[in-house]
Amino acid sequence: AQSVTQLGSHVSVSEGALVLLRCNYSSSVPPYLFWYVQYPNQGLQLLLKYTSAATLVKGINGFEAEFKKSETSFHLTKPSAHMSDAAEYFCAVSESFGNEKLTFGTGTRLTIIP
Amino acid sequence: GAGVSQSPSNKVTEKGKDVELRCDPISGHTALYWYRQRLGQGLEFLIYFQGNSAPDKSGLPSDRFSAERTGESVSTLTIQRTQQEDSAVYLCASSLAGRRLEKLFFGSGTQLSVL
Repeated sequence: AQSVTQLGSHVSVSEGALVLLRCNYSSSVPPYLFWYVQYPNQGLQLLLKYTSAATLVKGINGFEAEFKKSETSFHLTKPSAHMSDAAEYFCAVSESFGNEKLTFGTGTRLTIIP
Repeated sequence: GAGVSQSPSNKVTEKGKDVELRCDPISGHTALYWYRQRLGQGLEFLIYFQGNSAPDKSGLPSDRFSAERTGESVSTLTIQRTQQEDSAVYLCASSLAGRRLEKLFFGSGTQLSVL
């Protein structure tokens, strides 16, 4: 069975500082991994996804995530936070063979301090 | 419309009543998903429709929950005899046909409150 753990339900960083949102997964087969973002009063949007190609995945708005099989992690990073990055971020996993269901983490709310 | 549309955006109901939630996916998207998000929890998969295939209902929590989809368009999620634990945001998402794990486009959700 697949599962996702997001460490830290709330993260605050200063504007211009590094953003690091943690995600660890559990999967019995090679996974597909995703980060989704939900801005205030909007639906979830895909930030980036890993589908067994390059382990470092670049997404929109300057975010990237690195798949580390040895650590079963897929942490999301951005070198310099912007006020517009304030949102809720969800990590998700899907098993790569025949499983259409995305399993989501509980989310991390990112606050940017001016 | 340009995105996934859900209605109503908010629904308050009394325990024991039936409710129906609607989802209009993006035109041309044959895959449609329903998720539920309880307060402080992750998104919980409920059901998945793909074209004319039998839906994957493995996430429905009880027989009080059912969903239908008309062809490749509108879907309705029905909750019968609502309970307080059904209170949550119900999210619908759609994606392109035949492209497994293509990105999902989410609606803004229906906030259901059962009193």
